[in-house]
Amino acid sequence: DAKTTQPPSMDCAEGRAANLPCNHSTISGNEYVYWYRQIHSQGPQYIIHGLKNNETNEMASLIITEDRKSSTLILPHATLRDTAVYYCIVSPNSGNTPLVFGKGTRLSVIA
Amino acid sequence: DGGITQSPKYLFRKEGQNVTLSCEQNLNHDAMYWYRQDPGQGLRLIYYSQIVNDFQKGDIAEGYSVSREKKESFPLTVTSAQKNPTAFYLCASSIDLDRDYEQYFGPGTRLTVT
Repeated sequence: DAKTTQPPSMDCAEGRAANLPCNHSTISGNEYVYWYRQIHSQGPQYIIHGLKNNETNEMASLIITEDRKSSTLILPHATLRDTAVYYCIVSPNSGNTPLVFGKGTRLSVIA
Repeated sequence: DGGITQSPKYLFRKEGQNVTLSCEQNLNHDAMYWYRQDPGQGLRLIYYSQIVNDFQKGDIAEGYSVSREKKESFPLTVTSAQKNPTAFYLCASSIDLDRDYEQYFGPGTRLTVT
């Protein structure tokens, strides 16, 4: 079972920041937060991950609350190509537990 | 180019037939995975393999079988015992199981069984 809760869908205007929330209130101390996205009919694509500090890369920023019970993925300037399903996953970085993908959030970027 | 290939993109079979989906990677990754995705649903793990000649059942392994005779290849057989085989099947790989968070996915095979 997925250990995260995400809204099923969101809209965002093109050029604006897309903020995708994720609740993971039962996260354990050794579990990381991972984000993937899946464009229609393609395989998922890794975006970013973090433990407790905020992270940024060329694709997105990840903001994790201090209590680690929720996080937000930020796409700073959403484009139409960012329309996809975004998956938030929590999992230990131990190598013994494969990732569990929930239903994700379907982000629609609108022109 | 390095990557994961799955073929064919679309596959049609009659009910009662076994069918094998191919997955090949040239990334020199140790770990490989098979997922199933149904419309509007997230991915569900079928099988995964940490290393050659080793594989483990995922959450929904019933009705499926795999082999890992070569590092590059992880074929999935959908047997006639799988009650609802029509789905989108995705193969993935990672450097090893410790880095399964950074999985690289293939383009997928959409299987339709009638």
